[in-house]
Amino acid sequence: DIQMTQSPSSLSASVGDRVTITCRASQYITSFLNWYQQKPGKAPQLLIYAASTLQSGVPSRFSGSGSGTDFTLTISSLQPEDFATFYCQQSYSSPLTFGGGTKVEIK
Amino acid sequence: QVQLVQSGAEVRKPGASVRVSCKASGYTFTTYAMHWVRQAPGHRLEWMGWTDVGKGYTKYSQKFQDRVTISMATSATTVYMELSSLRSEDTAMYYCARGTLWGGQPYVFDLWGQGSLITVSS
Repeated sequence: DIQMTQSPSSLSASVGDRVTITCRASQYITSFLNWYQQKPGKAPQLLIYAASTLQSGVPSRFSGSGSGTDFTLTISSLQPEDFATFYCQQSYSSPLTFGGGTKVEIK
Repeated sequence: QVQLVQSGAEVRKPGASVRVSCKASGYTFTTYAMHWVRQAPGHRLEWMGWTDVGKGYTKYSQKFQDRVTISMATSATTVYMELSSLRSEDTAMYYCARGTLWGGQPYVFDLWGQGSLITVSS
């Protein structure tokens, strides 16, 4: 199975900050990497797929990059509604696996 | 409205089974896959399996292979997930998630149900 490791597991940031979350795959997955946002008590929502393609309706302050084994999710200017937990997921091969999550909290 | 609506919370005793339903609406049911993902307290999201709704093909995570069954009622645009031989560690929120195609496989989850809380307790 492909192991997905996210860092950090949590971070504190202020509104307007630039935030970067990293995700590392245990083996090569080309660009088969997706990012989800989950707010408390809600289901996850797709933000980015194929490592860097923004899902329809997602604000442009979110961006993704990377290929191979190392990936990054960036929020260019953190907004109040962005405080949530973010997960990466590899869609390269079954079983599909997720990272452990990064909780973004208000500083 | 494009949505997935799941059945409600359930409580089961250890050793029992539970079936969760996921009704799709607002899109062509047979042109997307459907996956099941669970989230236990303090644990990461965990993929359980999927079905190719148009072809009736199913594949399960090896971890759940012996205990999970995904089925569907096409006319009712509903997918079901049944988990048997329940144990306390199966207490979790269970989600259905629509799989959309990218790179040859429908492994991107672009629409999620609201979740169904399954509690296993004696």
